[in-house]
Order: sequence, then C-alpha cells, then structure tokens
Amino acid sequence: QTVVTQEPSLTVSPGGTVTLTCASSTGAVTSSYDPNWFQQKPGQAPRALIYNTNNKYSWTPARFSGSLLGDKAALTLSGVQPEDEAEYYCLLFYGGGWVFGGGTKLTVL
Amino acid sequence: QLQLQQWGAGLLKPSETLSLTCAVYGGSFSTHYWGWIRQPPGEGLEWIGDINQKGATNYNPSLKSRVAMSVDTSKNHFSLKLTSMTAADTAVYYCVKNFDLWGRGTLVTVSS
Repeated sequence: QTVVTQEPSLTVSPGGTVTLTCASSTGAVTSSYDPNWFQQKPGQAPRALIYNTNNKYSWTPARFSGSLLGDKAALTLSGVQPEDEAEYYCLLFYGGGWVFGGGTKLTVL
Repeated sequence: QLQLQQWGAGLLKPSETLSLTCAVYGGSFSTHYWGWIRQPPGEGLEWIGDINQKGATNYNPSLKSRVAMSVDTSKNHFSLKLTSMTAADTAVYYCVKNFDLWGRGTLVTVSS
C-alpha cells in the first residue's frame, strides 16, 4: 500500500518562510507524480493551490510556490500571513490513481 | 462561473448503499475529470475515484469492489454509489472537478 508522508505539524512566525514536504513510500517524488497541494481551513472544503509540481491557479497567492526538493515535493510559503494558518495536503498520482498525504497542520504564531 | 452542487442522503444504516449526485452549473461538462473525495471527521482526505464525460472510471483500489461512478451528460450530473456502508465510511464526501473546484461536501453518517 502506497503511503504519502507529510510533516504532521509546523509552526512559523508571521512574515517568515516555511517549507512543507511530501514524500512517497515508493521512492523519489518526480514531476511524473503530478504533485498537487491543497489548503483546508476548519469547516471549509479544501482549496487547490498548486498543480503539476509548481503551477499556480489564478487564485493562488504569490507567496505560495511548489517545487521538488531532493526526493520530495515541496510547498514553500514566503512572507507567511496569519490567514495562512490551515491544514495543507499534498496529492500524488500513481498510474491511474491518486493518494493524499496525511496533511500538515501549519500554525502561524 | 462553474459551480458544483451535490446532494444525497446524509444518514445511512450499516449495509446500506450511499448514493450521491453532483450537478455542474455554469460551464461545460466535457473535457474534465469529475471525482469524489472523502474526509472522515477529524481526519485527512481520501481519493475515492474519478470519471470522465465518456464514463471512463478510475477507482481507489481499497474501495474498488464497492464503488460505482456514473455520468449523465444530458443533465450535467455525475454520481457516486458506495455499497455495504459501515461506520468506517462515515465522512464528508466532496465532489470535485479536476481537483481545482470542490463541492461544499455532504456529511454522511453510518449508524444503526
């Protein structure tokens, strides 16, 4: 069974920079896994932020960026705002099926 | 602007079948993938599967034996059926378009 692993929690100060990562139990994450990133705030549906590793939607704030970092997919927030406090999920593609990571709870403190 | 509106029974008994429908408003039903994702209370997201406008499906292997998805292009609807429901299937179920547009979610509770 494929497992996608994210940091359970991270804390960042307002204005700071933080990187969330997404690892695959099958090995190095590459662009062929089509990494996607989502933000979810309490009581809300998830909102898509990044697709195809590093592509932003029209509504994605400029401070969010996606990349590959070593053997993982990564989401970097630069100049963190208080409203960025949320749960973040990555999503990877495995040949016809998708697997979500367990999520990272980001606290802005 | 494209919108998704979903509906279906929110309370089921064990062994019953979940049936949810998602309507697509304000845009083309074609050239996209339409999917379902669920989230148990207080837990993470799980991809259930997806379907295109031609009815070609992909299902989560862990649910494949119990899942069926369908599309009705004449009504711009797509649907999810999940059989043999148990308490472990209690979750908020979301319909999605290509992961970039999400429905509001339907809380489905399985309880006797």
